[in-house]
Formats: sequence, C-alpha cells, structure tokens
Amino acid sequence: AQSVTQLDSQVPVFEEAPVELRCNYSSSVSVYLFWYVQYPNQGLQLLLKYLSGSTLVKGINGFEAEFNKSQTSFHLRKPSVHISDTAEYFCAVSDPNTDKLIFGTGTRLQVFP
Amino acid sequence: DGGITQSPKYLFRKEGQNVTLSCEQNLNHDAMYWYRQDPGQGLRLIYYSQIVNDFQKGDIAEGYSVSREKKESFPLTVTSAQKNPTAFYLCASSIRNIQYFGAGTRLSVL
Repeated sequence: AQSVTQLDSQVPVFEEAPVELRCNYSSSVSVYLFWYVQYPNQGLQLLLKYLSGSTLVKGINGFEAEFNKSQTSFHLRKPSVHISDTAEYFCAVSDPNTDKLIFGTGTRLQVFP
Repeated sequence: DGGITQSPKYLFRKEGQNVTLSCEQNLNHDAMYWYRQDPGQGLRLIYYSQIVNDFQKGDIAEGYSVSREKKESFPLTVTSAQKNPTAFYLCASSIRNIQYFGAGTRLSVL
C-alpha cells in the first residue's frame, strides 16, 4: 500500500522569503509523484510532476521539487514567495498501473507582507 | 475551451434525500474520478472509472453511487445512506498518468 505524509499542516512565511514544503511517501513499487495547489473554494491545479528522468522538477509559478528515492521524499521549494502563493498544497503519489492518486493531508502556506 | 465542469457549485440536501452531482469533461479522457475533501483530511477517493460502463469503488464508497454511460459524464449520487455528506466534492479525469480537476461542488445538509 502507498501512503503520503506532509509533515507540516501550516507554514507561515514572509513575502520574498524562501519556503520548503515537505513530503515523504512510502511504497513498495515505483510511483509517480505530484504537487497540486488549491486556492479557496476551487479545484486542484497541477504544480509539477515527477514521472521519470531528472530528479529536479520545475513547475509553474516558480516552484520546483526534488525526488529523493533513498529518503523517499519529494519536497517542494520556492526561492522567493509572493502573497499570491497563499494556498493549500497537496503532495500525491500514484500507482502507474491505475492512475489512482493517494493524497497527503495538505500544507497551508500563508504568506505575510 | 476544454475542461472539466462540475455543477452545481453549491448544493443543499434535506434529510433522507438523494442528490446528484454532475461532472462533465470534453477532454476525451478515458478515466474519471470522484473525491471527497474534508478539512484536514486531504482528498479521499470515492469511485473511479477507467472506461465507459465500468467503475470501481474507492476507499469511501459507502453511501454513494455512480454511473458511466457516456465517456464525457460521470455523475455522483449521494444517497440517504450517507449520514455525513457535508463536504467539498471534486471530480477529475486523467490521461497519461496525470489527473485534472474540476472546480468542485460544496454539499451541505439542511
């Protein structure tokens, strides 16, 4: 069985500061990894994905993530956040055979001026 | 404009009533999914369908039903057997291992 752990339920940060949102997963098989962002009362938008290849993945809005197989982690980073990055961020893994996603419980990023 | 349309945006259910949430996609995706979102719990899979006329239960299917008669449509019915239906419901479709989401329906109990 697969599972995802997002270690921080809330991350407060000041504008223009760097941020890291942590994600660890467990799986007995190879997985695909995703980060989604959700703004209030909206659906989920894909930020970035790791399917194969380079372990450093760049996404939209200046975000990037690094797949670390030995530490089973897929942490999300941004070097300088903006007020508009305030949102809920979800890490997810999928079974390549079914496309079913397993989500973490989410991390609320709050950016202060 | 291609995408996933969920309707209505807000829905209210009375005691003992069945309600149906609509999900339509024009992306020509084979697979579709329904998730339930509760505060602090992330998203949990209710049902999914990989092809027309076939669907499987997810992790929390009790009290819900679905149909997949057309590739474009995957409606979810919340039955009276679902005792705690208040939540945000999200529909998704997928292609090449990536899921795309609709804007969601917020269901509340009167």
